[in-house]
Amino acid sequence: GAGVSQSPRYKVAKRGQDVALRCDPISGHVSLFWYQQALGQGPEFLTYFQNEAQLDKSGLPSDRFFAERPEGSVSTLKIQRTQQEDSAVYLCASSSTLQGASYGYTFGSGTRLTVV
Amino acid sequence: GNSVTQMEGPVTLSEEAFLTINCTYTATGYPSLFWYVQYPGEGLQLLLKATKADDKGSNKGFEATYRKETTSFHLEKGSVQVSDSAVYFCALGNTGNQFYFGTGTSLTVIP
Repeated sequence: GAGVSQSPRYKVAKRGQDVALRCDPISGHVSLFWYQQALGQGPEFLTYFQNEAQLDKSGLPSDRFFAERPEGSVSTLKIQRTQQEDSAVYLCASSSTLQGASYGYTFGSGTRLTVV
Repeated sequence: GNSVTQMEGPVTLSEEAFLTINCTYTATGYPSLFWYVQYPGEGLQLLLKATKADDKGSNKGFEATYRKETTSFHLEKGSVQVSDSAVYFCALGNTGNQFYFGTGTSLTVIP
């Protein structure tokens, strides 16, 4: 597609509920990233995929967070047993190169998750 | 380690005023530096970038120069418009494919 597409745009979850957030990167982009942006803060790295391989998951805050990209295209970020501190905007980004950090990513509009 | 320190906001300017948003960084090696802009309700958009020392990135009237000696990448624009109202993020990209973002500076331009 023309840009990085994320769905849903907004998600309200009750505490303890599981959620799944979807990211459709730009077609052909090999690198895919997830970031978490708390209110009034800059985005913070969660995880990185190169094609279907998850090469870095050092930013995932707990084992309740899980990400996958099984066919090297669409990715899903899953959060189990959501807690209030999980409330944030979750941003997906993709890059056509393996050196995205040197040249820049294209970000999606994000999914705003509110846990009540 | 890698980190970015960004001028805190919010910043309010009158239309046609001069804008500076300060950004300094700490990094190992030779990072690339970026400014991203986030309009209300939207995702981050790449505004400009510089990949090595003394490079100047520019776009839409905005400029920033990669200063290794002062570890800075300040964003400037000579004459802001109401449409420039947004949140601006300074970011650093280094080996390992991670970006490190500042906390963002909110800019409001009033007519």
